[in-house]
Amino acid sequence: AQSVTQLDSHVSVSEGTPVLLRCNYSSSYSPSLFWYVQHPNKGLQLLLKYTSAATLVKGINGFEAEFKKSETSFHLTKPSAHMSDAAEYFCVVSEDTGRRALTFGSGTRLQVQP
Amino acid sequence: DAGITQSPRHKVTETGTPVTLRCHQTENHRYMYWYRQDPGHGLRLIHYSYGVKDTDKGEVSDGYSVSRSKTEDFLLTLESATSSQTSVYFCAIRETEVEVGRSGGAPHEQFFGPGTRLTVL
Repeated sequence: AQSVTQLDSHVSVSEGTPVLLRCNYSSSYSPSLFWYVQHPNKGLQLLLKYTSAATLVKGINGFEAEFKKSETSFHLTKPSAHMSDAAEYFCVVSEDTGRRALTFGSGTRLQVQP
Repeated sequence: DAGITQSPRHKVTETGTPVTLRCHQTENHRYMYWYRQDPGHGLRLIHYSYGVKDTDKGEVSDGYSVSRSKTEDFLLTLESATSSQTSVYFCAIRETEVEVGRSGGAPHEQFFGPGTRLTVL
């Protein structure tokens, strides 16, 4: 069975500094991996998706993630944080079963200090 | 944005009452899912549907039932609501592999509705 571990429940950065949100996954196959963002009291927005086409994936709002199979990691990065990036971020893996349900990590709350 | 709506968006109810949440899509996608979101757990699968009248359980299905009598609607019912069912509920839809090939979308990507915040007192 697949699983996702988000290594930090909270991350705090200063505006203009880099962001790193860490995610490790466990899967017995070549997975589909996603990062979703959720702003307070809002729904889920897809940031980016990895589907084996390229290991470095670019998403919206300047975010990107690199798939590293040898490390089973899919960390999310952004060169320069903006106040509007403050939100909760979920790393997600898709099941390799017919139902293709998504398995979510427990989330990382990103704070951006002025 | 994918055409997914959920109703109601907010609901407060009392323990022991029945509650039905509705998910409606205009995309004609075959697969639909219900998840619940609780602090520290991300989203967890309650039930899913792989076609009209075809549904199956997820990991946290106890106390919930679903129905899908037409492609566009997927209903989630709490037969007798309990305080442990206070949560935010999200519906999601997904294309089939054939549809992904045609649309150029990402395999296994799910599109989420806006969520329903349910409080059981």
